[in-house]
Amino acid sequence: NAGVMQNPRHLVRRRGQEARLRCSPMKGHSHVYWYRQLPEEGLKFMVYLQKENIIDESGMPKERFSAEFPKEGPSILRIQQVVRGDSAAYFCASSSNRARGSGANVLTFGAGSRLTVL
Amino acid sequence: TQLLEQSPQFLSIQEGENLTVYCNSSSVFSSLQWYRQEPGEGPVLLVTVVTGGEVKKLKRLTFQFGDARKDSSLHITAAQPGDTGLYLCAGAPDRGSTLGRLYFGRGTQLTVWP
Repeated sequence: NAGVMQNPRHLVRRRGQEARLRCSPMKGHSHVYWYRQLPEEGLKFMVYLQKENIIDESGMPKERFSAEFPKEGPSILRIQQVVRGDSAAYFCASSSNRARGSGANVLTFGAGSRLTVL
Repeated sequence: TQLLEQSPQFLSIQEGENLTVYCNSSSVFSSLQWYRQEPGEGPVLLVTVVTGGEVKKLKRLTFQFGDARKDSSLHITAAQPGDTGLYLCAGAPDRGSTLGRLYFGRGTQLTVWP
């Protein structure tokens, strides 16, 4: 299966702990996006990364959240000192290149990582 | 503030019925996508519409992009239980925004009973 792989699928943390979510993009994809889906809400964009670069992090909370996409290995979304409000499904998506003109950039989503903060 | 409003929020119908769900905004989008999401899974892309007034068909599903590129609809003919799922619309703003940054609606939860 060459799809977007996310792990862990489920993660339970106590308040104040750290959560690390990993995402391996589809083979051949060099663009990674993280989205968060809160209960009863739609998916919200968090951050867009290319290898070793953060391109757009305007959707990321200013504190406690960080993301990276190193030259080797998966992209990682890190949440420090988690709080109950961080409980959500975190989805990673990848794409192969930037769309040209007004065409849409086709994203392939992973199955998500569900974080529960106790 | 939700950029894309989807309606209805919930829809429960019998197998064989037709249905339409809507995705509306006051903003213009360069493209709009429809996804279906199953419980515990990520969204799966169904279609992308780019041109105002565009109509695309995918078997029993018909997607339309409004002339002004502010709204879209999804029509399902003769719904089947396998159509059950959360239908999400997502838009890419007209210009000046990160490609791949999509604005999602909250979705329409469709249940089709046998």
